[in-house]
Amino acid sequence: NAGVTQTPKFRILKIGQSMTLQCTQDMNHNYMYWYRQDPGMGLKLIYYSVGAGITDKGEVPNGYNVSRSTTEDFPLRLELAAPSQTSVYFCASGVAGGWTDTQYFGPGTRLTVL
Amino acid sequence: RKEVEQDPGPFNVPEGATVAFNCTYSNSASQSFFWYRQDCRKEPKLLMSVYSSGNEDGRFTAQLNRASQYISLLIRDSKLSDSATYLCVVNDFGNEKLTFGTGTRLTIIP
Repeated sequence: NAGVTQTPKFRILKIGQSMTLQCTQDMNHNYMYWYRQDPGMGLKLIYYSVGAGITDKGEVPNGYNVSRSTTEDFPLRLELAAPSQTSVYFCASGVAGGWTDTQYFGPGTRLTVL
Repeated sequence: RKEVEQDPGPFNVPEGATVAFNCTYSNSASQSFFWYRQDCRKEPKLLMSVYSSGNEDGRFTAQLNRASQYISLLIRDSKLSDSATYLCVVNDFGNEKLTFGTGTRLTIIP
């Protein structure tokens, strides 16, 4: 049972490039989330999903896209990378949404946009 | 006003001491409360949920004060391994999303 896995661990992008951050969970959780964490700041929700085929915007969705074709996978797509997207990205999953259940986080992807 | 506010610290505390953090939340409809722990350059992990009656897990005690809209975390007999950032997390009833505070950084000094 690997929990939540994320790839890559690190990435450097040039301005205007695109990439996909991968997230996979093997706990059969319905709920999945993407957060970004900037230095000294809290976690900001980018997008979330309550099940396969269903996604919704979080607090800071601009510049990102997601899809949820399976229960296990929840990739995050960055189009036209900008320096403001330099951050640590965490994927998380949970069973019953936020209010009764733990969210399990992946190890994060450190992204730098130059 | 931020939805969830924490003193960022840092708190530098000698080993064996007791330390307490508070966290305030702005939405009186908030229903669920948690403390997460985040080690340096690692992902957040659940430390404990916070129940209305207060709850204890070993050296850690969490309290909720709904009237004043704050939660607290008390760590007794602190260990070097307690050094981390502690995140206050709040959720509203029926909401699929958690709101995270910016965290309180704790360093335990030998």
